[in-house]
Order: sequence, then structure tokens, then C-alpha cells
Amino acid sequence: KAGVTQTPRYLIKTRGQQVTLSCSPISGHRSVSWYQQTPGQGLQFLFEYFSETQRNKGNFPGRFSGRQFSNSRSEMNVSTLELGDSALYLCASSLYGDTQYFGPGTRLTVL
Amino acid sequence: AQSVTQLGSHVSVSEGALVLLRCNYSSSVPPYLFWYVQYPNQGLQLLLKYTTGATLVKGINGFEAEFKKSETSFHLTKPSAHMSDAAEYFCAVSATSGGSNYKLTFGKGTLLTVNP
Repeated sequence: KAGVTQTPRYLIKTRGQQVTLSCSPISGHRSVSWYQQTPGQGLQFLFEYFSETQRNKGNFPGRFSGRQFSNSRSEMNVSTLELGDSALYLCASSLYGDTQYFGPGTRLTVL
Repeated sequence: AQSVTQLGSHVSVSEGALVLLRCNYSSSVPPYLFWYVQYPNQGLQLLLKYTTGATLVKGINGFEAEFKKSETSFHLTKPSAHMSDAAEYFCAVSATSGGSNYKLTFGKGTLLTVNP
């Protein structure tokens, strides 16, 4: 089976812009989770979607949002970008949510 | 609430030596426990997991970990380090089913250096 894919792999934006990141889970997996990784805060949970419904949400501002489509692909959106949003954004897929398999990540740089 | 503490942000070993990476967790419910490895500019790769059953868990690349409930620990070991093991290792905990709360809480990570 193909693994989790994330696009784009690298992204450069300026403050105030918005960005959309995409994640395609492993075939048959219904749960997609998103994590932010920064040197200062480490790995932090953003949100999880299961069968198109947001099932869990982390402690991030409303500028961070996501959705999941009927084919389980997921997108996350960050509006009004801030310098502190520069990070590696990781997507993880799971059959039901328990064991999560990660993609390669999208490296977002905000200038 | 759950938390993970990884003792030692940087561990250095010689090639062929024992690798021991320490992880202690806190969880109000029976936990699921995981070890992931991250190579530079890559995502996280699952090394092994404990959900239920046998407390000694074997993973990929010769790694294993033992769940010790009384010590709230899940330390990762490998008998003989290889140069290719050099990477950052993350311990993570999630809640078990019942609340459908599978979000992973990670430790800060341990950078493993292997010296020739």
C-alpha cells in the first residue's frame, strides 16, 4: 500500500496570507490527524477527522481549520499567517484512530 | 490528561553498544504507547507500539520496549547500535478506546548519535 502523502512538501508565504495543505491517507484509512512540529514547542496535536467529522481538536486558535472529504483526503487551512506559524505540519492516517502512520510533512515558512 | 517525559534530549553511543532511550508517561486511563523515529527532513516512522497484551514489544530495526505499569515507563532498547540508527526518537501516549480520544501526546524527543 502506498503511504501517507502530503502536498506541497515545501511552502513559503508572507505574513497575513492564508495557506492550504493537503493530505492523502493510506487507502482504507478513515482517520486523519494533523500535528504541528516546531523546535520550541515540539509536536502538538491540531485536530483529527474521522469519516468527514472533526472528532478531536487541540489548543490552537481558530485561524487553524481543517476538513475531510468523502474519500478520506484531508486539508488544513491556516488564515492570516503569523511568523510563529512556521513549522513542519505532519499528517497521520489511521484505520480507526489508534495506530497513526505519518506522512513526510509540509515545511511551511512564513516571512 | 496525559504527558510524556523523555529523559535526556541527547544520547550518544558507540557503534555496537547498547541503546537505551528512556520514556515515562502519565495517563489517567490505560494508555496506548508508541515510539516513533524521525530522520532529518522526514516525517515520523512508527517503530513499535503497546496497546494491550504482552508487555515486551518488539519493533522494526531490532528495537524493543517494555511497558512497566508500576514504573509508568516505556523505555526503548536495542542491543547493538548501528550508524543508521542515528536519528531523533519520540515517545508518545494516547488514550485507549472508549472516548475515541486517540490524539497523540509526544515527548520532547531524544536525539541519538552513534559514534564509529
